[in-house]
Amino acid sequence: DTEVTQTPKHLVMGMTNKKSLKCEQHMGHRAMYWYKQKAKKPPELMFVYSYEKLSINESVPSRFSPECPNSSLLNLHLHALQPEDSALYLCASSQAPQEEKLFFGSGTQLSVL
Amino acid sequence: AQKVTQAQTEISVVEKEDVTLDCVYETRDTTYYLFWYKQPPSGELVFLIRRNSFDEQNEISGRYSWNFQKSTSSFNFTITASQVVDSAVYFCALDMEYGNKLVFGAGTILRVKS
Repeated sequence: DTEVTQTPKHLVMGMTNKKSLKCEQHMGHRAMYWYKQKAKKPPELMFVYSYEKLSINESVPSRFSPECPNSSLLNLHLHALQPEDSALYLCASSQAPQEEKLFFGSGTQLSVL
Repeated sequence: AQKVTQAQTEISVVEKEDVTLDCVYETRDTTYYLFWYKQPPSGELVFLIRRNSFDEQNEISGRYSWNFQKSTSSFNFTITASQVVDSAVYFCALDMEYGNKLVFGAGTILRVKS
C-alpha cells in the first residue's frame, strides 16, 4: 500500500464551525506533513511531524491545530476559519524525517463561507 | 534564502511533440536536493525525481529526462513524444540537506492536445 488517504475530499464550513481533516498512511513512514495550496499557486508547508512529534510549525495561525495520534494518522483541526483559508490541504508522508521523497494524498478541498 | 523560479506559466503542445520545462534555483547551501513533482487534475502531487547537488549526471526515465547544470543553477525537465496524459501542473522544488522544507516553484501548466 503506497497511498496516503485523505478525508473528506471536499469540505464546506462556516466561520464558526469546527471540523477536522484526516490523513492516513500505512507505509510505516515516520514523518508526516500538512501543506496548503491556494488555487494556481504552489503548495506551502504548514506543519511537519517527526516520529509523532511536531517538529516544524511554519508560523501557522492557531485556528489550525495539528494532531498526530499515532504513526499512521495525522489530523488537522479547524476552528473559526476565515474565507481566505479556503484552499486545497495536502497531507504527505516520508519514510524518515530527513527523507525528502514525499508521498502526497489527493487533498481536501476546503471552502470557508 | 532559497528560491525556485519556473518562468513558464503555461505551455501548450500537440501530442508527440517534445517539451522542456525550465527550472532555475537559488541557494547558498553546498548540499541541497532538487525535485520535480507532477500534479494531475486529481490533485495529488506525484514524485518524479530527486537529485542531490553533487550528482550532475543527467537522467533518463522512459520519455522523461532531466538536465542538471550547477553552472547555470538549472534543473530542466524534458518530456519526449508528449502524450495527453502528461497534461498536468509540474513543480520544481528545492530543499536543503536535512531540511524537510520543500520550496516549490510557481509551477508550469502543461497542456498536451491530441
